[in-house]
Amino acid sequence: DIQMTQSPSSLSASVGDRVTITCRASQGISNYLAWFQQKPGKAPKSLIYAASSLQSGVPSKFSGSGSGTDFTLTISSLQPEDFATYYCQQYNSYPSTFGQGTRLEIK
Amino acid sequence: QVQLVQSGAEVKKPGASVKVSCKVSGYTLTELSMHWVRQAPGKGLEWMGGFDPEDGETIYAQKFQGRVTMTEDTSTDTAYMELSSLRSEDTAVYYCATGIWDVWGQGTTVTVSS
Repeated sequence: DIQMTQSPSSLSASVGDRVTITCRASQGISNYLAWFQQKPGKAPKSLIYAASSLQSGVPSKFSGSGSGTDFTLTISSLQPEDFATYYCQQYNSYPSTFGQGTRLEIK
Repeated sequence: QVQLVQSGAEVKKPGASVKVSCKVSGYTLTELSMHWVRQAPGKGLEWMGGFDPEDGETIYAQKFQGRVTMTEDTSTDTAYMELSSLRSEDTAVYYCATGIWDVWGQGTTVTVSS
C-alpha cells in the first residue's frame, strides 16, 4: 500500500497568515493527489484534485502543487473559516490512502 | 449536480451486520463510481472500497475483505455498503463519495456496542 505522510501534524497560525502543508507519498503517484478540508461533525470538502486543480467553487486562496512523491497545499491570507483539519489522498492505485491529517489552529 | 443522501444512524451489537444506503440524485448511479470511506471517532479517513471503472469491478481494502459488500440498485439509484461481524472498532462515521472525490454524502454514524 502507498503510505501518505503529512507534515506538520498540527499547525498554529494567525488570521492573515499564509501556510503550507506538505504530503509525501511512499512511492510515485504521478499527480493523482487530492486535498480535503474537514470541520468537526462535517463531511470532508474537496479543495484540490489532480494535485493542482481547484475544485469548482473553491476560492483561489487555496493552491496545490507537486508531482511524483512530494506535494504541497498552500492557503493564503487565512480567515477564521479556514481553521480546520486538512487531509491529502492518493488515488493513483488501490487501496486509495489518506494522510493522517493536519490540524490548523488559530494562534 | 450530483447529490448523495445517506441513511440514518445505526446502533448495532457486536457480531451483527449493518447496511448503509447512499441515494444518488442529479445523475444516475450507472454514470458514477461510488466509494466508501469511514472515520472512527477522533481519527482520520480510511478508504474501504469502491468501483474501479477501468476493470468494471468493485475493489475492497484488504482490511475489510470478507466482511464488506458494496452493491448498487440501479432501479433506485441507490448504493449500499454492508459490513458484517461488527466489533467495537467499527464504530465510525461512514461516507459514500463519488466524482473526482468532490461529492460526499452527509455521513452515517454506526455505533457498535453491547
